[in-house]
Amino acid sequence: RKEVEQDPGPFNVPEGATVAFNCTYSNSASQSFFWYRQDCRKEPKLLMSVYSSGNEDGRFTAQLNRASQYISLLIRDSKLSDSATYLCVGSSGYALNFGKGTSLLVTP
Amino acid sequence: DGGITQSPKYLFRKEGQNVTLSCEQNLNHDAMYWYRQDPGQGLRLIYYSQIVNDFQKGDIAEGYSVSREKKESFPLTVTSAQKNPTAFYLCASSPTGGDYGQYFGPGTRLTVT
Repeated sequence: RKEVEQDPGPFNVPEGATVAFNCTYSNSASQSFFWYRQDCRKEPKLLMSVYSSGNEDGRFTAQLNRASQYISLLIRDSKLSDSATYLCVGSSGYALNFGKGTSLLVTP
Repeated sequence: DGGITQSPKYLFRKEGQNVTLSCEQNLNHDAMYWYRQDPGQGLRLIYYSQIVNDFQKGDIAEGYSVSREKKESFPLTVTSAQKNPTAFYLCASSPTGGDYGQYFGPGTRLTVT
């Protein structure tokens, strides 16, 4: 079983919509969690860390539920430029465990 | 500007040749990592290094070798023993451990024919 699993999508949403991604992790020892964004044929870029208390950065909100072992990312007021693949990542020690990513396409 | 550089961006080699991918960072990060990404797949860890002159195998180290002689540099050699070397190779660094996330270079696309 993969350590981090997420729905590959694609999620096709109109501009201005709210979209939510979830991912689950199997390693209960995972300490830290992140969301990365990866554009086509580019490197992943750190979008935000995820905390149990929930954290927000502009239109993006991330949440961690340790009891259920899932992480979520909410994007409000979607922009065309949000189109990308979003990677859910868990950390245990020095290793990061990457999900395969969820593809988002925001359409006009 | 601080960051991670990888060169070259595209690399083409014939089967049976060893090839070395460059990774340099000026972020003063202790830890550096190499991943490969195949189409439609997640990132898989090849090797990582927490400190100069020390490195550990990741999940898919067979057919690869690394060195860490300087804090700034972590080159990856893809040897002829690697059965499926064609992939997108990504180098990353982090301050220490995994708690702060990792920062990636632009990657090298290696094609072996």
